[in-house]
Amino acid sequence: GDSVTQMEGPVTLSEEAFLTINCTYTATGYPSLFWYVQYPGEGLQLLLKATKADDKGSNKGFEATYRKETTSFHLEKGSVQVSDSAVYFCALSGLTGGGNKLTFGTGTQLKVEL
Amino acid sequence: GAGVSQSPSNKVTEKGKDVELRCDPISGHTALYWYRQRLGQGLEFLIYFQGNSAPDKSGLPSDRFSAERTGESVSTLTIQRTQQEDSAVYLCASSRLRGGIYNEQFFGPGTRLTVL
Repeated sequence: GDSVTQMEGPVTLSEEAFLTINCTYTATGYPSLFWYVQYPGEGLQLLLKATKADDKGSNKGFEATYRKETTSFHLEKGSVQVSDSAVYFCALSGLTGGGNKLTFGTGTQLKVEL
Repeated sequence: GAGVSQSPSNKVTEKGKDVELRCDPISGHTALYWYRQRLGQGLEFLIYFQGNSAPDKSGLPSDRFSAERTGESVSTLTIQRTQQEDSAVYLCASSRLRGGIYNEQFFGPGTRLTVL
């Protein structure tokens, strides 16, 4: 079945540092790929997505490129801020009977310090 | 407009009791999903509803779990004879159909269930 593997946290960085959170997936067909973010005390929010190979999703300075050859969708940001502290979830969706249930990774907690 | 809402936000129950969790999706969203997030783990898919079609129940962990949805509105997730391993945050999400493909899922704040 479908699965998502992402790097374990917590990841602790200083403000303005470069961020990479690795994500790889296993799926049949051509899934869509997502990064969701959960800020402290808030619900899950979509951060960015990519629906086909070589697509780059971007939002709020974060980027991730859909790499079919390496089955990866790594999240990057050039300069993190304290406000980026949150838990980040990589996910994929495959069409299942017309729907697109999400398969999530276990989440990576990011802590950004001054 | 209003987002996905869930109630209650927190529920503490005794082992063996039944609980009902409610989800109000975004108006106009034809698809509704339930997920479970246990401590230190990722989200697990439980069930999804698509309009009036038969729901996909493939993620329900046991026959103690069931869910209903009336049309394209409210959904209720019921857990019978709760066990301690049912303790988790239960998340609901909805999405709409666009061009034959379901798109972004919008999540509610979740219900934190604690089974003593």
